[in-house]
Amino acid sequence: GEDVEQSLFLSVREGDSSVINCTYTDSSSTYLYWYKQEPGAGLQLLTYIFSNMDMKQDQRLTVLLNKKDKHLSLRIADTQTGDSAIYFCAEAYGGSQGNLIFGKGTKLSVKP
Amino acid sequence: DTAVSQTPKYLVTQMGNDKSIKCEQNLGHDTMYWYKQDSKKFLKIMFSYNNKELIINETVPNRFSPKSPDKAHLNLHINSLELGDSAVYFCASSQAGGREQFFGPGTRLTVL
Repeated sequence: GEDVEQSLFLSVREGDSSVINCTYTDSSSTYLYWYKQEPGAGLQLLTYIFSNMDMKQDQRLTVLLNKKDKHLSLRIADTQTGDSAIYFCAEAYGGSQGNLIFGKGTKLSVKP
Repeated sequence: DTAVSQTPKYLVTQMGNDKSIKCEQNLGHDTMYWYKQDSKKFLKIMFSYNNKELIINETVPNRFSPKSPDKAHLNLHINSLELGDSAVYFCASSQAGGREQFFGPGTRLTVL
């Protein structure tokens, strides 16, 4: 079945770049998403990318998509302690924009 | 104003009880969702619902049922609660076919 895989943990130093990777299986996904979850809070949409794009940049965030390899990454430049959170990759299931399949989340820890 | 709200925030109950979690959105969205996040932070969709269609994740037990009194509300009813139902339940909403889902703050359910 459809699956989204992420590494579970990433630790970086403040000011460094963070790269969170994700692989997915549904080749019909039209949109791929990155969500952020801070402790005790709900999910917040950070950014998304349409499947016919290779890259999307939004301030400190850069999303790279390799559709051939079904690989998605999120780069956070100049990582701050406030970026510490769990980051979820998600794909729209069966091409539907509504039904999302989430990865297990990558816990980003930023050390001062 | 809170866009997507859930009540209660915490719910502690005994096995075998029946309980409900309420969700309301004031965004005028057409589609609402329920997600379950387990203790390992794994997030899975349970239902998506608009006024025309209910899509049920096939892994969801029929003890769980969504009920929508109107377009702005999607409540989750759970019958005969089991220990394994303990989790954080998130409600979300989006425009029909919309790319961005807005999440509520979550309801932490603990079954004793």
